Amino acid sequence: GAVVSQHPSRVICKSGTSVKIECRSLDFQATTMFWYRQFPKQSLMLMATSNEGSKATYEQGVEKDKFLINHASLTLSTLTVTSAHPEDSSFYICSAISQESSNQPQHFGDGTRLSIL
Amino acid sequence: GQQVMQIPQYQHVQEGEDFTTYCNSSTTLSNIQWYKQRPGGHPVFLIQLVKSGEVKKQKRLTFQFGEAKKNSSLHITATQTTDVGTYFCAGRRGGFKTIFGAGTRLFVKA
Repeated sequence: GAVVSQHPSRVICKSGTSVKIECRSLDFQATTMFWYRQFPKQSLMLMATSNEGSKATYEQGVEKDKFLINHASLTLSTLTVTSAHPEDSSFYICSAISQESSNQPQHFGDGTRLSIL
Repeated sequence: GQQVMQIPQYQHVQEGEDFTTYCNSSTTLSNIQWYKQRPGGHPVFLIQLVKSGEVKKQKRLTFQFGEAKKNSSLHITATQTTDVGTYFCAGRRGGFKTIFGAGTRLFVKA
C-alpha cells in the first residue's frame, strides 16, 4: 500500500531554532500533501495544503512566515518551523494523496514530535 | 466554516460490549473517511464512504453514511482490547481539504 515517510520522528531543541520536517511519499507521486498539527488528546488541525510546484495554501490563523512549506517535487514536501518557541511544541503530521481525485484517502506519515525548550 | 462534530468524546466499555461513535457535518459532504489512531501513533486509514446511505463492513466494524451525506457512524461489535484507540471521522466537501472530527477515545476493559 501507499507509504509516507516523515522525518525526523522527534526533535528537541532550544527556543529560537528553526526546525525542518520532511515528508516523502515512497511508492507514489503526491501532487498534494497536507500538514497537520495535533495537541495531546486533541484532533488533527489542518495547517496547510501543499501543492507541488506552487505556493502552499494556509488555513486561517496559521502564520505562513512561521511555518514555511516547500513542495519541491512530487515525492517531497517540507515544513520548516522558523524561530521555534515553546508554544510551537506539538505533534506535526503530514499526509499525502496518491491521485488527483477527492475520493482518494490520505496516507499519513508517522509524525514528528517537536519539543522546544 | 465547515465543521465536523463527533461524539462521544470518550467511551469506556467492557470487553465484549458494543461501541458506536457518531459524526455530523454542518454541510453536505462528498465523502467521509474513518481513521484509527493508537496512543503515540499516527492516524491509520480504515475506510471511505462516498454514496448516500452507504454501509460498509470490516469484520466487527460497520460504517454508515447518512442519506443526506451529512452524518456517519462507526459501530464496533463485541469490542476487544485491540480496539483501543481514538477513532476519527474526516469529511470532505469537494476538493481535497479534509476536516477531522474531534475523535472518540475508546477504552476497553478486559
